[in-house]
Amino acid sequence: AQTVTQSQPEMSVQEAETVTLSCTYDTSESNYYLFWYKQPPSRQMILVIRQEAYKQQNATENRFSVNFQKAAKSFSLKISDSQLGDTAMYFCAFRAGANSKLTFGKGITLSVRP
Amino acid sequence: DTAVSQTPKYLVTQMGNDKSIKCEQNLGHDTMYWYKQDSKKFLKIMFSYNNKELIINETVPNRFSPKSPDKAHLNLHINSLELGDSAVYFCASSQVNRDYEQYFGPGTRLTVT
Repeated sequence: AQTVTQSQPEMSVQEAETVTLSCTYDTSESNYYLFWYKQPPSRQMILVIRQEAYKQQNATENRFSVNFQKAAKSFSLKISDSQLGDTAMYFCAFRAGANSKLTFGKGITLSVRP
Repeated sequence: DTAVSQTPKYLVTQMGNDKSIKCEQNLGHDTMYWYKQDSKKFLKIMFSYNNKELIINETVPNRFSPKSPDKAHLNLHINSLELGDSAVYFCASSQVNRDYEQYFGPGTRLTVT
């Protein structure tokens, strides 16, 4: 069974600064996908970024980038130039195959201070 | 042009009642899911259907019964509601062998009193 661990329950960052959210996972699968989802107060689940395990290059999406360390089973999210709209819960998630479920971490509450 | 829609968005009901939550996706996806988010915000899979066939059925009380009339719809029926069923229920969809992203609906907040 896969597990996803987000050990930090909450973080705070000053607007325009950079913050890194941590995530570790455990699996015996060789082919899998990792995701970061954002859930603002509206409760809509929004995909932030995705990483395929077979790709060595870290994924980036504008201000969001990941540090994927496959051997260490670590998948952290870096948010650069933090904006007030980044305030939300962030969930790290794992998916083993094309048709399988998402396994989520417990989430981290990020607050961006003006 | 809502991709994944759920109705209702809010549902308040009394213990013992039976209720349904409907989900529809217009993305042409072949796989749909139900997730439950509890009061601590923890998200967990409940069910998954692929082309109307049940493929994932986690440990969920049999008071919960998913129904997929076609591959664009996955409804969740809950019998004899209990206080512990209060949660946000999310529907999601994806397409096998394509992009691997799951698209989520807006969620249904169920409150059992």
